[in-house]
Amino acid sequence: NSKVIQTPRYLVKGQGQKAKMRCIPEKGHPVVFWYQQNKNNEFKFLINFQNQEVLQQIDMTEKRFSAECPSNSPCSLEIQSSEAGDSALYLCASSPRTGQLYFGEGSKLTVL
Amino acid sequence: QQKVQQSPESLIVPEGGMASLNCTSSDRNVDYFWWYRQHSGKSPKMLMSIFSNGEKEEGRFTVHLNKASLHTSLHIRDSQPSDSALYLCAGASSGSWQLIFGSGTQLTVMP
Repeated sequence: NSKVIQTPRYLVKGQGQKAKMRCIPEKGHPVVFWYQQNKNNEFKFLINFQNQEVLQQIDMTEKRFSAECPSNSPCSLEIQSSEAGDSALYLCASSPRTGQLYFGEGSKLTVL
Repeated sequence: QQKVQQSPESLIVPEGGMASLNCTSSDRNVDYFWWYRQHSGKSPKMLMSIFSNGEKEEGRFTVHLNKASLHTSLHIRDSQPSDSALYLCAGASSGSWQLIFGSGTQLTVMP
C-alpha cells in the first residue's frame, strides 16, 4: 500500500473555480513530484521540490498553477482558475533517489 | 513531440505468451530508464530500472538497454492475466530528478 497520502481522491469544480489538492510524502524522501495524467494516459511533469525548494517546474505551472511543500505540513497543488482542460488525475510522488518514485493514489479533478 | 516514446500503444497477448514493449528516448541526455506498471484505477508502481547497456532479469521480467540508440525494451514471459496493465517507460538524465514518462503501452493478457 502506498505511503504517499493524497487528498481529496475526487474533486469537482466549475470553470474559473480554485482547485486544491494535498499530498503527504513518505517520510525520509527528500524529493516530491506532481504529475498530471490525462484521459489518454499522458503523463505531464508539473513541478518537483527538494526539501521545500522548487527544483524544476514547467511553464504551465508558473501561471495558473501554484504549489508548495512547507516543512511539517502537507505539500499542495492549487489551480487558481480551473479550465476544462485541467480535468485529469493529479499524482503526487515522493522519491528517496533518482527514478524511484512512490506514487499516491491521486486526486481526480473534473472541471465542469 | 514527447521525449520518451513507447510502442505499441496497445498489445494483446495470450496467457502464457511473451509480451514485448519498446521505449526510445529522443533526447541524448535521457539515458537512464525505469519501467513502471499501472493497474486500472491504481497508481503507478516501479517494476525495474536499467542504467547500463545489456539486460537485466527479475523473475518473468527482462529489460534491455542499448545506450547508443537510447532504446529500452521490457519483455514479460509466461504472461498472466494479472499482468494486464498500463506499462510506462520513464527516462532521466544522469543526476537529474526530473523523470520523463512516455504515454505507455496498454497490455492485455487474454486467459
